[in-house]
This record gives sequence, C-alpha cells and structure tokens, in this order.
Amino acid sequence: SQELEQSPQSLIVQEGKNLTINCTSSKTLYGLYWYKQKYGEGLIFLMMLQKGGEEKSHEKITAKLDEKKQQSSLHITASQPSHAGIYLCGADTGSARQLTFGSGTQLTVLP
Amino acid sequence: NAGVTQTPKFQVLKTGQSMTLQCAQDMNHEYMSWYRQDPGMGLRLIHYSVGAGITDQGEVPNGYNVSRSTTEDFPLRLLSAAPSQTSVYFCASSPTGGADYGYTFGSGTRLTVV
Repeated sequence: SQELEQSPQSLIVQEGKNLTINCTSSKTLYGLYWYKQKYGEGLIFLMMLQKGGEEKSHEKITAKLDEKKQQSSLHITASQPSHAGIYLCGADTGSARQLTFGSGTQLTVLP
Repeated sequence: NAGVTQTPKFQVLKTGQSMTLQCAQDMNHEYMSWYRQDPGMGLRLIHYSVGAGITDQGEVPNGYNVSRSTTEDFPLRLLSAAPSQTSVYFCASSPTGGADYGYTFGSGTRLTVV
C-alpha cells in the first residue's frame, strides 16, 4: 500500500515568515492532493498536482511535485494567523479513487 | 449550499450500542467514501462506493457496514460500538473522471464510545 510521510509534524512560526511542509511517498504519486483542516472542521481542498515538475499557486500558497513524482512540498509565503491549521497531503491510489493520507502537519502562526 | 452533509455532528454511545452516521451529497458525485481520523494517524479509509449499489472495503472496515441505495446517500453503520471506534468520521465524495478540484469532505461526526 502507498504510504505518505509528512514533515514536520508540527510547526510554529512568527507571522510574516515563510515555511515549507513536505510530503514524501514510498511509491510514484499519480495524484497528490493538499488539504487544510481547522480544528473541529472538515477538510478544505487546496490544490491537486499530477505531473512531474508541476507547480500550482493560490494566493500565498504554492505546491510543487518533484520530477520523480515521489515528493511534494507546500510553501507558504509571508504566513498569517489565518494560515494556521492542519495541513494534510493525500495521494490517489489509482484504484476507485481512494485517497491515502499523511498524518498531517500542525501549523501555528504567532501574531 | 451544495456539498457533503454529515449528521449528527456529535454523538456519545455506550459500548455495544449500534448507530448510523448519515452522509448525503447533492453534487451527483459517483464516488463516496468514509474515513476516520485519529490523532497522529491522519485519515484512514473505512469503506467506499463507486456508485449506487456498489461498495467495497477500505483499510479499516471491521465493525462498520455501508450501503449505497442512491447516488446521494452513503450511511455508515456501527454494528456494536467499541471504545476503539471513538474517532472523528468524515464522509467524502468525488465525481468520476478528473477531479482537479479534489474530493469534497463533510464537516465530520465526532463519536465517543464509553
């Protein structure tokens, strides 16, 4: 089965700082999803990457998938308290659209 | 608003009781799935469905049953609740074909089994 490892597990940054969260797979990624979750709430879709070398941005968040399609990074520029939450990467296993998730990265942004 | 609706939001059960977690979507998505989220373990797939009348097991199916009689609804049944089933449960849906906007998740059901 596909396993996703996220790092770091938790991150505390000062407002305005940049940060990066990584997601590494044991197998080739055919579809890599990034979600954000606030405590007690559901998952909010951020971005999906499919092609090696692909990069997508939304507001101050940029996600990349490496050429080998085994690692993805999520980069936040000039972090704000609104960015705080749990960031989860999920991989499409390719079978009936099941997603396998990493264990998440807890982000705290200090004002 | 269109999306995935889960009920109830909170539930406390006694060991051995049974209950059904409801999930409904109004986006005509073919795929629906149930995940449970436990601290430090991310989300794990319980059961999923690729369309009405078709269901299959995920990573952690034991103790749970599902059915899919309509495209819109995908209830999750706990047959005899155990403390190990204390968790947050999420239902998700996605259309067939490409899903560039990802899977849509419900807001979750927080279940405690005492």
